[in-house]
Amino acid sequence: GENVEQHPSTLSVQEGDSAVIKCTYSDSASNYFPWYKQELGKGPQLIIDIRSNVGEKKDQRIAVTLNKTAKHFSLHITETQPEDSAVYFCAARESDYKLSFGAGTTVTVRA
Amino acid sequence: NAGVMQNPRHLVRRRGQEARLRCSPMKGHSHVYWYRQLPEEGLKFMVYLQKENIIDESGMPKERFSAEFPKEGPSILRIQQVVRGDSAAYFCASSPPGAGANVLTFGAGSRLTVL
Repeated sequence: GENVEQHPSTLSVQEGDSAVIKCTYSDSASNYFPWYKQELGKGPQLIIDIRSNVGEKKDQRIAVTLNKTAKHFSLHITETQPEDSAVYFCAARESDYKLSFGAGTTVTVRA
Repeated sequence: NAGVMQNPRHLVRRRGQEARLRCSPMKGHSHVYWYRQLPEEGLKFMVYLQKENIIDESGMPKERFSAEFPKEGPSILRIQQVVRGDSAAYFCASSPPGAGANVLTFGAGSRLTVL
């Protein structure tokens, strides 16, 4: 099955700085990589995703990059704000209906 | 659109008791997935159900755990004779037919604490 590793496990950034979270995956057949944001006491919410036929995708302050050869993908958050503080999970689609998640990164944005 | 509704949000059980977690999918969604999140870990797939059918339960422990999604009513994840290691957050997700893992909407989760 798919194995997804995520780093770092915690990340503290100054408001306005950038945050980068990196993930690697093991199954070269995986072709869909979503990122989820989980706020305290809530369920994960999809914030951005990327498919294997593109290398980068942006949505306002959030961007995701994918390197298929190296089997890694990254989330970039620019101009961080306090409301960006949350746990972020990367995932890889293991099958048509199953996602494999990383262990999560707790992001804290310092005011 | 109420989203994916899970209840109870918090459940406390003593060892040996039964836990029942309920999930109502989003309107128009007929596929339900259960994931478990242990402390400090990511979500782990447990089971995928369609109405009246279990499609894949490869992530479910072989004993004490069962899931159903009846023709009428919510999906239910049932844990019999709970042990402390069952303490976790259990998340339900749903998707419309044919969308699969590309369009998963998660509920807020049910947090089970076993004393």
